[in-house]
Amino acid sequence: ETGVTQTPRHLVMGMTNKKSLKCEQHLGHNAMYWYKQSAKKPLELMFVYSLEERVENNSVPSRFSPECPNSSHLFLHLHTLQPEDSALYLCASSQYRVPLSSYNSPLHFGNGTRLTVT
Amino acid sequence: AQTVTQSQPEMSVQEAETVTLSCTYDTSESDYYLFWYKQPPSRQMILVIRQEAYKQQNATENRFSVNFQKAAKSFSLKISDSQLGDAAMYFCAYRPGTASKLTFGTGTRLQVTL
Repeated sequence: ETGVTQTPRHLVMGMTNKKSLKCEQHLGHNAMYWYKQSAKKPLELMFVYSLEERVENNSVPSRFSPECPNSSHLFLHLHTLQPEDSALYLCASSQYRVPLSSYNSPLHFGNGTRLTVT
Repeated sequence: AQTVTQSQPEMSVQEAETVTLSCTYDTSESDYYLFWYKQPPSRQMILVIRQEAYKQQNATENRFSVNFQKAAKSFSLKISDSQLGDAAMYFCAYRPGTASKLTFGTGTRLQVTL
């Protein structure tokens, strides 16, 4: 049983559709992340939220819109996607800004949403 | 910019044998963290082992250990007594000491044969 839950597990959508990916963490963490995993490429960080504020946005196209209503939930709203956006989207959580001298919380990942854009 | 390189796209090991997965990284930071994550077919990324750069001692977790060579910027993972359940994609990752962003390598697919 993972502490980070993602739904749906699979999603197929057309380029004109609007859909949302959902992530929920039960670990008491204060930071949440969206990563994109494409074949034969390193995981790409898309967004970071800490204490419900977006602290990082890695030049992600505006057709991806994140929302973090509270520290336990994270959404990724999708609209007018392109076929090249097909990928595995991974959500993760961690404890953010732990002092350097102490143990730093690693990321805990969900099972991902496999997105196919047709 | 930090980069993480995994030069072995695929590796194979026989059950009960030992295998080493390679990882090198590039950074100008002096304080950072290194991780190995495992991604089985279930797709969940599972933390295998972590290393703080300021610690000279290599991290170990049961059958998993690392060879951390800070000067060479190398961070290899050794899996001893390999089991069928070890078959997965393995990702090396780097994080600066005061930041939350993880930079991943492209991964190594490990097959475990009987």
